Amino acid sequence: DTAVSQTPKYLVTQMGNDKSIKCEQNLGHDTMYWYKQDSKKFLKIMFSYNNKELIINETVPNRFSPKSPDKAHLNLHINSLELGDSAVYFCASSPRGTSGITSYEQYFGPGTRLTVT
Amino acid sequence: SQKIEQNSEALNIQEGKTATLTCNYTNYSPAYLQWYRQDPGRGPVFLLLIRENEKEKRKERLKVTFDTTLKQSLFHITASQPADSATYLCALDMKSNTGKLIFGQGTTLQVKP
Repeated sequence: DTAVSQTPKYLVTQMGNDKSIKCEQNLGHDTMYWYKQDSKKFLKIMFSYNNKELIINETVPNRFSPKSPDKAHLNLHINSLELGDSAVYFCASSPRGTSGITSYEQYFGPGTRLTVT
Repeated sequence: SQKIEQNSEALNIQEGKTATLTCNYTNYSPAYLQWYRQDPGRGPVFLLLIRENEKEKRKERLKVTFDTTLKQSLFHITASQPADSATYLCALDMKSNTGKLIFGQGTTLQVKP
């Protein structure tokens, strides 16, 4: 059973298009994250939700909009894609923030490789 | 300015030896430090967390140290195996309720048989 899953795994699209990446976790965690890993392998936090509430919103262009319909899902929608958006996007979840839980590790999905041409 | 740095060059060692990876940071005061492993084409996998009041943490062949004075963490893999070959990421954890992690760029370890 996959703990954190993302779809699609690969996404190739043209500049100016709008695309979405979906993420689901079956670990029962309250907190979920979106990260971007660029070509130099730096992994940088973009957003985080705790129980459907936005708690981290880093300096990310407004073209990126996360949506959490419930605490098991966190989707990422990107408008007007640009060449610089090409990267691997990782979703993660954590038991952090869940009442009574003192575990802080994060569980990552397999990543979505986005290529903008 | 704030920085977190890991050895950018790949670390090549012989099977059976101990691998030591370094994570240095400046102008941060993390409450915890986490280490992750990342294989090519896959997401990072959590390995160990060490708290600011802990000097050392062990798990099987892995050992992590955390020196808040030197602002450094060392990650050791003893009796290394080719299967340990991967990129290892350190992450600063500020102990906020958000769980925001600040990752280093990773060090690639290659263990040769």
